[in-house]
Order: sequence, then C-alpha cells, then structure tokens
Amino acid sequence: EAAVTQSPRSKVAVTGGKVTLSCHQTNNHDYMYWYRQDTGHGLRLIHYSYVADSTEKGDIPDGYKASRPSQENFSLILELASLSQTAVYFCASSDALGGRDTQYFGPGTRLLVL
Amino acid sequence: AQSVTQPDARVTVSEGASLQLRCKYSYSGTPYLFWYVQYPRQGLQLLLKYYSGDPVVQGVNGFEAEFSKSNSSFHLRKASVHWSDSAVYFCVLSQGTGSKLSFGKGAKLTVSP
Repeated sequence: EAAVTQSPRSKVAVTGGKVTLSCHQTNNHDYMYWYRQDTGHGLRLIHYSYVADSTEKGDIPDGYKASRPSQENFSLILELASLSQTAVYFCASSDALGGRDTQYFGPGTRLLVL
Repeated sequence: AQSVTQPDARVTVSEGASLQLRCKYSYSGTPYLFWYVQYPRQGLQLLLKYYSGDPVVQGVNGFEAEFSKSNSSFHLRKASVHWSDSAVYFCVLSQGTGSKLSFGKGAKLTVSP
C-alpha cells in the first residue's frame, strides 16, 4: 500500500526560528508535494518536485524553501518562521503531475508558531 | 483560471439518511475531477475520480458522484450515511496531465445519531 510519512506530527516554533518538516514516501513516485491547510480553506500548493535535487514553486512559495535530496525524501524549510505560517502541512506523492493521477497524502504536521 | 466551489461548508445529516455534497467547477476544457476525504487528524484519501465515460462514478464505501458538463458540477452522493462518514470532503479539479490540482474549501460532514 502507498505510504507517505511525515515528521514531526506536531511542532511548536518561535517567531524567527528555523523549522524543517520532513516527508518520506515508499511509493516509488516521482512527484512529491508540500501543501498548506488553513481552517476553512482547501489545500494550497507551496512547492513540489519531480526529481531529486530539483524543486519547483507552487502557488504560495513565499517564506518557504524545499529540498529533495532523494526520490524518497522531501523537506519543507521555514528559515524565519512567522505567525502567519501557523497551519497544518501535508506532504503528498504521485506518479505524475495532474491528469487522472491520484495523490497520496501523509498524515500532516500541525505547526504552531508563537 | 480554474476554480472549485463547494457551497456548503458544514453539513449535518442523521445516520441512515441520504447525502449530497455539492461541487461546482470553473474550467472551459474537460476536467479531471476527484473527491477526497479527510478523517480527523489524518491526511486526505481518494474517494473517487472522474476523467471520461459514464458520468456516474462509483467510489469506496458506497459513495458515488455524478459529472455534469452542462452544469459544471460534480456532486457527491451516498444513499445511507454512517457515523463513520463524519469527515471533511474535498472536491478537487485538474486540467490535465502537467497541471496542478485546485482544491475546494471542503465540506465538513457531521453524521448525528
């Protein structure tokens, strides 16, 4: 079964601090994604990647960096965390971008920035 | 630009009753459409998807959805809901291969006993 795991599952960070969220997939998928979910909103794409050592900007990349060191791992980095980045973050993977392809999601990371 | 609208943010139905969650999309071409479900404290899971053929598609756990090009809609239905169906449901659109997904804001379903 497709599997996407995220760590940590929850985190409290201080404003201005650095935060790294990690994602690991065992699906052998080329594409990986980072989404942000805010209360009352759908998911919004932050960054995505289709190959190791390469990342692409999504719809809301400002304030975030991403890193794809291997096919299995994809990290989201907040260099200077801000209050507005409090949200739930989801990682996902898929074989292809868009079309009929299903995305498989991790359980999410709840980030609280104080 | 493509967009997805879910007009009902919160829906409450009694256990055993029927359910319809509405989804309207805006896209001039032929869309790929999905319904994902998010159970509490979990990631999203695929319920069903449509990309061609029969406009009524079957999904897991007795869910189905009907695509209507004339109405730009993709409504989700279930004949008899169970308390375990309580979750947030997202309607999602893709323009096609190579395009990113557009998510609706979600509909929180509460099934009351």
